Amino acid sequence: NAGVTQTPKFQVLKTGQSMTLQCAQDMNHNSMYWYRQDPGMGLRLIYYSASEGTTDKGEVPNGYNVSRLNKREFSLRLESAAPSQTSVYFCASSEGRGPGEKLFFGSGTQLSVL
Amino acid sequence: GQQLNQSPQSMFIQEGEDVSMNCTSSSIFNTWLWYKQDPGEGPVLLIALYKAGELTSNGRLTAQFGITRKDSFLNISASIPSDVGIYFCAGQLAARQLTFGSGTQLTVLP
Repeated sequence: NAGVTQTPKFQVLKTGQSMTLQCAQDMNHNSMYWYRQDPGMGLRLIYYSASEGTTDKGEVPNGYNVSRLNKREFSLRLESAAPSQTSVYFCASSEGRGPGEKLFFGSGTQLSVL
Repeated sequence: GQQLNQSPQSMFIQEGEDVSMNCTSSSIFNTWLWYKQDPGEGPVLLIALYKAGELTSNGRLTAQFGITRKDSFLNISASIPSDVGIYFCAGQLAARQLTFGSGTQLTVLP
């Protein structure tokens, strides 16, 4: 079982460029999440999806869009990257159709915006 | 929003020593969790606590849900090199999203 798979693992962008971070889970989980991790700030929720076709904003959604393509996949898009979006991004999933506490995380994408 | 204060921010300990870290909040939670992040990986759930006063162990790890519901503690006994990583507390109230602490970076010296 792969669990939660994120691609790419590393990415460098120039200010203003766009990109999509991909995430897929093979645990048949209903809920999926995107978090960002910054030094000294823990994990902050960007967007959340309780089921296919539904998405909700988290604590820090500005500058991001998401798409829940199907039950397995949840992508995060940066339309016009800014240096403030330099961070490590984690995708996660949980079993139920609602904010879960037992989250399964991917191994992260380290993004640098120059 | 709710904030969690996690301390200490970092710890350097000798292999074999015991470790304690804690998390406090200005508001109550009805679930407390502890996650560990190995270098270069995503966090993994270690322990979940669902009741005030609850004490739960997972191997050498023991965590407690504070009586006031505003704090939680994690102890690691007889530390080993693979305990290195960042430990995050997280709290949940009702069916809301998790609130994460800022993490405790643990370094184990040989």
